[in-house]
Amino acid sequence: GDSVTQMEGPVTLSEEAFLTINCTYTATGYPSLFWYVQYPGEGLQLLLKATKADDKGSNKGFEATYRKETTSFHLEKGSVQVSDSAVYFCALSGNRDDKIIFGKGTRLHILP
Amino acid sequence: DAGVIQSPRHEVTEMGQEVTLRCKPISGHNSLFWYRQTMMRGLELLIYFNNNVPIDDSGMPEDRFSAKMPNASFSTLKIQPSEPRDSAVYFCASSPSTLAQETQYFGPGTRLLVL
Repeated sequence: GDSVTQMEGPVTLSEEAFLTINCTYTATGYPSLFWYVQYPGEGLQLLLKATKADDKGSNKGFEATYRKETTSFHLEKGSVQVSDSAVYFCALSGNRDDKIIFGKGTRLHILP
Repeated sequence: DAGVIQSPRHEVTEMGQEVTLRCKPISGHNSLFWYRQTMMRGLELLIYFNNNVPIDDSGMPEDRFSAKMPNASFSTLKIQPSEPRDSAVYFCASSPSTLAQETQYFGPGTRLLVL
C-alpha cells in the first residue's frame, strides 16, 4: 500500500542554518504530496503541497519539489528561525480515496 | 471563518468511564476525519466520513470506539469503556471535497488522560 518515510528526529540546528528534512514515498499512480507542520499544543496545519511531478510547493521560506524519478519530496529552508521549531509531517494522498497518509513526523529544534 | 472546533480541549477520566469527544467541521466541508496521536504510534487515522457517511473505519482500534456524524456540522467519537491506553490527543479534521489534492484542516485537538 501507499506509504511515506521521513527522516527520524529530533533535528537540532542553530538559527540561520540550512534545513533539509528528507521524505520519500511509495504510491501507485500520481499522488499529491504535502508537508504539514504542528506547533506545540496545536493541531497540524498545511505548510505546502504539490500535486504533480516537478511542481514546487513553497510557503514561509520553506520549499519542496515533487520528484517522481526519485519518489521524494524533501523539505528545505535556507535560514531557519527559532519560531520554526515544530514537528513536520510529510504526507501523500493517492488517487483512490480522500485519505492522507502521514509520515511519523520529524521534530525540529532551532537554537538561538 | 471559524476553523474546526473540538470540545472538550482536555479530558481527565477514570478507567471504565464513557468518554465523548465532539467536533464541528468547517462549514461547507464534505469530509471529516478523526485521528489519534501518541508518542509511541504517531498520528493514526481512526475513521473518516464523506457527506456524513462513514467511509473507512479500519483504523478504529476495537469495539470500544464508535463514531457518528448525524449531520454535516457535528460529529462525535465515543470510547466506552475507556482504558488507560486510550490516553492520547485526538484530532478532528475536515476537508472541502473528496479530491486527493485537497487540504485537511485540523482542529486544536482533545487531550485525553484515562487514569
